[in-house]
Amino acid sequence: ETGVTQTPRHLVMGMTNKKSLKCEQHLGHNAMYWYKQSAKKPLELMFVYNFKEQTENNSVPSRFSPECPNSSHLFLHLHTLQPEDSALYLCASSQPGQGDGAQHFGDGTRLSIL
Amino acid sequence: DQQVKQNSPSLSVQEGRISILNCDYTNSMFDYFLWYKKYPAEGPTFLISISSIKDKNEDGRFTVFLNKSAKHLSLHIVPSQPGDSAVYFCAASHSGTYKYIFGTGTRLKVLA
Repeated sequence: ETGVTQTPRHLVMGMTNKKSLKCEQHLGHNAMYWYKQSAKKPLELMFVYNFKEQTENNSVPSRFSPECPNSSHLFLHLHTLQPEDSALYLCASSQPGQGDGAQHFGDGTRLSIL
Repeated sequence: DQQVKQNSPSLSVQEGRISILNCDYTNSMFDYFLWYKKYPAEGPTFLISISSIKDKNEDGRFTVFLNKSAKHLSLHIVPSQPGDSAVYFCAASHSGTYKYIFGTGTRLKVLA
């Protein structure tokens, strides 16, 4: 599925680096999400944006900073991350109230913290 | 406390047979349930959903059953095909929120 595109696909960074993950959706959805998937754990919801407004921050540490400039783009800015932050970060979008309302996911960014 | 549980981390089924994947939830406020399929190096892909006003929803080879009193749902795949080999996640939400709670997934392997 190419409706939700995430870049980069892989990222290796040191604990003192600053980097950003990008997500773009071409589905006309109004809601966008960041999830974290660690090994043997369920997908953990991090942030939800609806019409560019943040509606959910699931107790995420401040070293993760989301940005949603418009309904089609979502960023996750990273700084001074810890080794335990190594995981797959998934972006998703949805259009609540229409059709199946299901979330459509990108293929994720595999993040490794050295 | 995990609100959505998939207690079987893996399942192997012979091609042509039925695959049954199970999911339990604890929050009685959940009223919409979804199943996703995930191949390696790809994001989860939506498969099928069910609203709490129904107890069954069917789409081709995939059927989801919901037992609200038991807080249990299951995904049936019949007949199973090797291409169905993937990790399957169930998810639940409460209408009016944008919050989806996922299970840990079940890895299905369909043997040719």
